[in-house]
Amino acid sequence: NAGVTQTPKFHILKTGQSMTLQCAQDMNHGYMSWYRQDPGMGLRLIYYSAAAGTTDKEVPNGYNVSRLNTEDFPLRLVSAAPSQTSVYLCASSPRGPANTGELFFGEGSRLTVL
Amino acid sequence: AQRVTQPEKLLSVFKGAPVELKCNYSYSGSPELFWYVQYSRQRLQLLLRHISRESIKGFTADLNKGETSFHLKKPFAQEEDSAMYYCAIRSGTYKYIFGTGTRLKVLA
Repeated sequence: NAGVTQTPKFHILKTGQSMTLQCAQDMNHGYMSWYRQDPGMGLRLIYYSAAAGTTDKEVPNGYNVSRLNTEDFPLRLVSAAPSQTSVYLCASSPRGPANTGELFFGEGSRLTVL
Repeated sequence: AQRVTQPEKLLSVFKGAPVELKCNYSYSGSPELFWYVQYSRQRLQLLLRHISRESIKGFTADLNKGETSFHLKKPFAQEEDSAMYYCAIRSGTYKYIFGTGTRLKVLA
């Protein structure tokens, strides 16, 4: 099992451009989420999905997600702003009795917005 | 408001010295707490959870509901313990609140 895979690992884009960060997991986990990781700020939840076909957001604007199937949970930056410069972490966990509370993280995508 | 506080951004200790990483929480309900660790160039991973009451890599953490704390402790620090440590609380079935993290540096 590869676990949680994120692409790209690094990317630079300009203000106003759009970008999609990919996240895929091969563990058949129902729950998936996106966090941003900033120095001194810890991890902040952006979006989560409890199952394919459902999504919920935690931050108001600037991001969009889709959950068309169990495996994939892409995060789209609609019109990038410098404040979105961050490391983005994707995480998954199983639903139901198999859920022990552990989140399984990807390696992260480091995004710089100029 | 639900919150996790890690008051130390950086903690430096000498090899062999005891380590305590502080974590305080604010949560209405029965909390479920975790410690995650991120070693250099590795992904974030679970270190331990309070429900298991286990010792992982020599680390332990006890939930103190009276003081609303979940401090991470190790009696003798090792150089390979140097990493970023995050305390987290489970808020709802699939939502988690993380602290701001503490970087632990173990000096030779």
